[in-house]
Amino acid sequence: EVQLVESGGGLVQPGGSLRFSCAASGFTFSSYAMHWVRQAPGKGLEYVSGISSNGGSTYYANSVKGRFTISRDNSKNTLYLQMGSLITEDMAVYYCARGYTAMVSSGHFDYWGQGILVTVSS
Amino acid sequence: QSVLTQPPSASGTPGQRVTISCSGSSSNIGSNYVYWYQQLPGTAPKLLIYRNSQRPSGVPDRFSGSKSDTSASLAISGLRSEDEADYYCAGWDDSLSGWVFGGGTKLTVL
Repeated sequence: EVQLVESGGGLVQPGGSLRFSCAASGFTFSSYAMHWVRQAPGKGLEYVSGISSNGGSTYYANSVKGRFTISRDNSKNTLYLQMGSLITEDMAVYYCARGYTAMVSSGHFDYWGQGILVTVSS
Repeated sequence: QSVLTQPPSASGTPGQRVTISCSGSSSNIGSNYVYWYQQLPGTAPKLLIYRNSQRPSGVPDRFSGSKSDTSASLAISGLRSEDEADYYCAGWDDSLSGWVFGGGTKLTVL
């Protein structure tokens, strides 16, 4: 059974940093692109970032470019998102999702984690 | 303002057929596949339709998707109370070189 379990969220002050992870199991992690999608309270889904199966290709939404870094450790079956220079607009539930293919730009998000809340507040 | 445009709300009574539209442009829907996700209250999104009209295993055939030019639609027939959820269309945008979502449509079963 495919499982994606996020951890590491919490409260952070504006301007601060946070790193959280998504532990994957039930599939060959190194064969699939992985993505982060967020949802601000009461709002819709917003694509944040994606990384190809081998980590060689990454994509960032303009809203997070230069502040967030996506990475993965295929030996640990884990996806990461390093968030920096956080602003209140970054407050959201962050979901990790598996891409259907090895590439960031193709396929769909066929499995999702349960989501992790990031609160940005002083 | 979302790149893909959806109506904010839709409604129907049990047994009815409802459709949710998703409007885009030549750089997204017009040249790439459309995907639909269902988000039940308090839960993570779930893939509902992929590659415009394909249903993943386990998704009832009451759900169907279609695409024409730069627009797409999700149809739900035989509406049931458990279909009450938020629905999002999504796709790859060649101009933005990234994934885009619609703003979401809240479906209410009256």
